[in-house]
Amino acid sequence: SQTIHQWPATLVQPVGSPLSLECTVEGTSNPNLYWYRQAAGRGLQLLFYSVGIGQISSEVPQNLSASRPQDRQFILSSKKLLLSDSGFYLCAWSLQLFGTGETQYFGPGTRLLVL
Amino acid sequence: AQSVAQPEDQVNVAEGNPLTVKCTYSVSGNPYLFWYVQYPNRGLQFLLKYITGDNLVKGSYGFEAEFNKSQTSFHLKKPSALVSDSALYFCAVRDSYSSASKIIFGSGTRLSIRP
Repeated sequence: SQTIHQWPATLVQPVGSPLSLECTVEGTSNPNLYWYRQAAGRGLQLLFYSVGIGQISSEVPQNLSASRPQDRQFILSSKKLLLSDSGFYLCAWSLQLFGTGETQYFGPGTRLLVL
Repeated sequence: AQSVAQPEDQVNVAEGNPLTVKCTYSVSGNPYLFWYVQYPNRGLQFLLKYITGDNLVKGSYGFEAEFNKSQTSFHLKKPSALVSDSALYFCAVRDSYSSASKIIFGSGTRLSIRP
């Protein structure tokens, strides 16, 4: 069966510091991968998605970036964190099966607090 | 363009009563529709989806949803609510005409079941 991991689970960082959040998927090949941010326990904002190694689509211009160095690894980064980067970051994966709606499955999330 | 709306921020129901969480959508083509549930400090869990076929879709934990094409709705329902159903619920949609591998999430509805 497939599993998705995120780490760290919780992170407290000072403003201006760098960020690296990691997401890995097990038990599947060539998944679509997604990064979302959830602020204040409500709506989800899609940040990035990837359909393959090195292929990143950015949804919102900001100081965050994403990379996919391996098939099942997705990394969210920042060179300098802002206070507004605080939130709950969720990684998700889906299979690339045309016509099935590509159900997304979510990781446990990383809670980031920027002080 | 695709969009999804959850008109209620909060729904309060007594345990044992039926519950409904509303969702409406807008797409250019045919919709792929999803419901997810989120418990505090956790990732989203997939409940059910509609791709094609029977308008009544049954999912996890006794939930079901009815696709209504004329009203462009996909309301989530359960005949008898449990206190453990209290959580944040998200509706999501993907347009079958969309080439992008992403879905659009609603703003979420907080369901509170009182004993």
